[in-house]
Formats: sequence, structure tokens, C-alpha cells
Amino acid sequence: DTGVSQNPRHKITKRGQNVTFRCDPISEHNRLYWYRQTLGQGPEFLTYFQNEAQLEKSRLLSDRFSAERPKGSFSTLEIQRTEQGDSAMYLCASSQSAKYGYTFGSGTRLTVV
Amino acid sequence: AQTVTQSQPEMSVQEAETVTLSCTYDTSENNYYLFWYKQPPSRQMILVIRQEAYKQQNATENRFSVNFQKAAKSFSLKISDSQLGDTAMYFCAFMKDTGANSKLTFGKGITLSVRP
Repeated sequence: DTGVSQNPRHKITKRGQNVTFRCDPISEHNRLYWYRQTLGQGPEFLTYFQNEAQLEKSRLLSDRFSAERPKGSFSTLEIQRTEQGDSAMYLCASSQSAKYGYTFGSGTRLTVV
Repeated sequence: AQTVTQSQPEMSVQEAETVTLSCTYDTSENNYYLFWYKQPPSRQMILVIRQEAYKQQNATENRFSVNFQKAAKSFSLKISDSQLGDTAMYFCAFMKDTGANSKLTFGKGITLSVRP
């Protein structure tokens, strides 16, 4: 068990560019979550998968955001036409039974310049 | 919608002392779970302790314990014998017990500094 892995750790991009982040959950976990955390704030829910099905999507996710989890394994989060307001830490977490808590990855820090 | 409030932005404690971090929440649900997560500087978030709302007994994990007051919707974390490695941001979080809906709602967090 190598934990939840997120890549890249850091991403600097110019406004208007597209970016894609990857999350590899713990292999036996069927639930996968994406959160966004801005400086000094708690994580905010973005979206959640059970296996390959995207079961819930936050209103925070504009049409520029899309997430996938093909085959119920790794997940990608894509942001199109990035804006400065997208600068944040993007956290991925996974769980087998959420009531026991999640395992978080180290996050991808996005800076839009 | 559920809300989680952590009203203390920062706290400081002397090494080996005890500190209590406060958290309140608002919900109309009767069954739910509460969590405290720790986020050390530049490191990933880890689960400290969890509480099931239908259990009256307060959860304990080694030096960490909670004071769960369901009627008051309060869920504080007590850290005993504070250690330098306890320096981190601490987040209180809420989860409804509805099976399919397993998202966590977090508070804004509190920065805890342990002084040597």
C-alpha cells in the first residue's frame, strides 16, 4: 500500500492554458474524491466517484472543470482555460468505507500566472 | 446544508501541556460522523480521530480525545502531552450517514503551534 499518489506536485501555468492532474488512489478503495483548498481555508468538495461513476459534483465546479475515473482506477481532473482564481491546492482522497475517513494524497499545488 | 465552524484561527501550547481545539457544527441530521484531521506544514492531511454520532462514548486515540456534545453540536479535540510534531493545521469535518453521500464538509481549520 503506497498511499494516494498525486502528480504533479506543483504546476505553474499561464492564464488561459489547460491543465490536467492525476490521482492514483489506494488500489482497493472504490471511492475517490477531489477537493480544493485555498490558503488558510479548509478543503472544499469538488466531486466524487464510486468506481467509475461520478456520483456528485459541486456547484463550485464550473463548466471548465471535468473529472474522469476510467475503469474505476486512477482519476484525472482537468481545468480548461485556467483563471487566476483557480490557483489552489487540489487534493485527492480515497476510501473503501467513507465513514472510517479518507486517505488523502499530498496534493497538486496549481499557480496560475 | 451542513456547516462546520472553527472559530479559533490560531493556538499555541507549551510542549508537554494539554490543549483543546474547538469545533461546532450545524445539521438537521441525526446520524452522522465527525472527524479531526491534521495537516502538517507542506505534508498531507491525516486522520487523527473520528466519532460516530450515535455513540455517546467519546472517542480516544492515544494522546488525542474528543468531547462530543450532540445536543450542543460541539466536537472539541483535546491533545494531551503536546509534542513538537503536533504542530500543524487541524481541521474538524462532518459527514452525513447516508451511504451514497459520503463527502466531508470541513471547517476553516486552526493552526496549532507547540513551543519547545
